[in-house]
Amino acid sequence: DAGVIQSPRHEVTEMGQEVTLRCKPISGHNSLFWYRQTMMRGLELLIYFNNNVPIDDSGMPEDRFSAKMPNASFSTLKIQPSEPRDSAVYFCASSPINTNRDEQYFGPGTRLTVT
Amino acid sequence: QKEVEQNSGPLSVPEGAIASLNCTYSDRGSQSFFWYRQYSGKSPELIMFIYSNGDKEDGRFTAQLNKASQYVSLLIRDSQPSDSATYLCAVKWESGGYQKVTFGTGTKLQVIP
Repeated sequence: DAGVIQSPRHEVTEMGQEVTLRCKPISGHNSLFWYRQTMMRGLELLIYFNNNVPIDDSGMPEDRFSAKMPNASFSTLKIQPSEPRDSAVYFCASSPINTNRDEQYFGPGTRLTVT
Repeated sequence: QKEVEQNSGPLSVPEGAIASLNCTYSDRGSQSFFWYRQYSGKSPELIMFIYSNGDKEDGRFTAQLNKASQYVSLLIRDSQPSDSATYLCAVKWESGGYQKVTFGTGTKLQVIP
């Protein structure tokens, strides 16, 4: 199993530009999570999907952020327009089933720098 | 807002000693508790989960849960330099019929050879 795949691994962009982060979850997992990690705020859940349906997007910081999951094997997180305070590591994670015991498998992350 | 609190550290222990990592949480309805290890520049990986009061042992790791005190801990016996990492506590709880997970900010552990 290839694990959760994220692309790109690093992204440097200028303020105001659109940024799209991509994630391919582990095959057969039906929950997908997007997180943002910074030194100050730690690991924050932005949004999660269950069976491709967005369940909770209360962690999405503002309207500049949007996420989609058009099918079970692909999800995107888009920031438009990007701002320097969006600089962080963005993780995608997937989970096999929504139970008490399920663990989340994290991708390698995308390090985003907005200048 | 559900809170998960951890001391940021760093916690320094000598090689071979027991490292004790602690976590408190605010929601009494929390159901499951996880410990993730995150090496610098890497993604978190699950090392332990626990959902019943008491102790759960797995090799050199022991997770301890006390729901009455809203406290979960991770003990690492015979600490090794390779255990040096940030340890994230995560708490799962239910809201609106769905499971949610909140992570603590992590405790950095340094094992000194």
